[in-house]
Amino acid sequence: QVQLQQSGAELVKPGASVKLSCKASGYTFTSYYMYWVKQRPGQGLEWIGEINPSNGGTNFNEKFKSKATLTVDKSSSTAYMQLSSLTSEDSAVFYCASDSSGLYAMDYWGQGTSVTVSS
Amino acid sequence: QIVLSQSPAILSASPGEKVTMTCRASSSVSYMHWYQQKPGSSPKPWIYATSNLASGVPARFSGSGSGTSYSLTISRVEAEDAATYYCQQWSSNPPTFGAGTKLELK
Repeated sequence: QVQLQQSGAELVKPGASVKLSCKASGYTFTSYYMYWVKQRPGQGLEWIGEINPSNGGTNFNEKFKSKATLTVDKSSSTAYMQLSSLTSEDSAVFYCASDSSGLYAMDYWGQGTSVTVSS
Repeated sequence: QIVLSQSPAILSASPGEKVTMTCRASSSVSYMHWYQQKPGSSPKPWIYATSNLASGVPARFSGSGSGTSYSLTISRVEAEDAATYYCQQWSSNPPTFGAGTKLELK
């Protein structure tokens, strides 16, 4: 079965960067785009961007273009998101998700990685 | 970007009651997806493309709508339905989510 296993919680200082991972299993990694979604405490969901694992092509929400970098390692079926110049506004849970539906939905989700930005 | 407005923000219902929550889009969209999220858990796909229930979703759930107005209905609410429900569109980039409707059981 499809599983997306995300890396553990992070506590990072303001101004620093952090790299989150999302390891896919149960399907051919290059078959589906990988998405990243942000959820601030008690808030809704924001789409950050997407990466095509087959060729590394990316597409971003304009809001996150200077904040997030998306990459993949096909050899380990792992997607990564690096967040830079962190501020308290970046404290959130970040999810990876994929779409096997072909309907531009997000039908598989990782368990989420909590990022706390604090000095 | 398309803004999705969900109402009500909080819905309080008794077991067995019929409830409906709505999602209104700032521009017309082709269809709407819905997700269920419980505290401490990831969102789960709940309804695809306006009216198609995801695998394992009870038949008491239904979805409908078109254009700028969509809804999710539960025919008879059960305790396990307590959660926050989000709508999502991807008719135009970027995909956007509504702020959610939190369903509380009395």
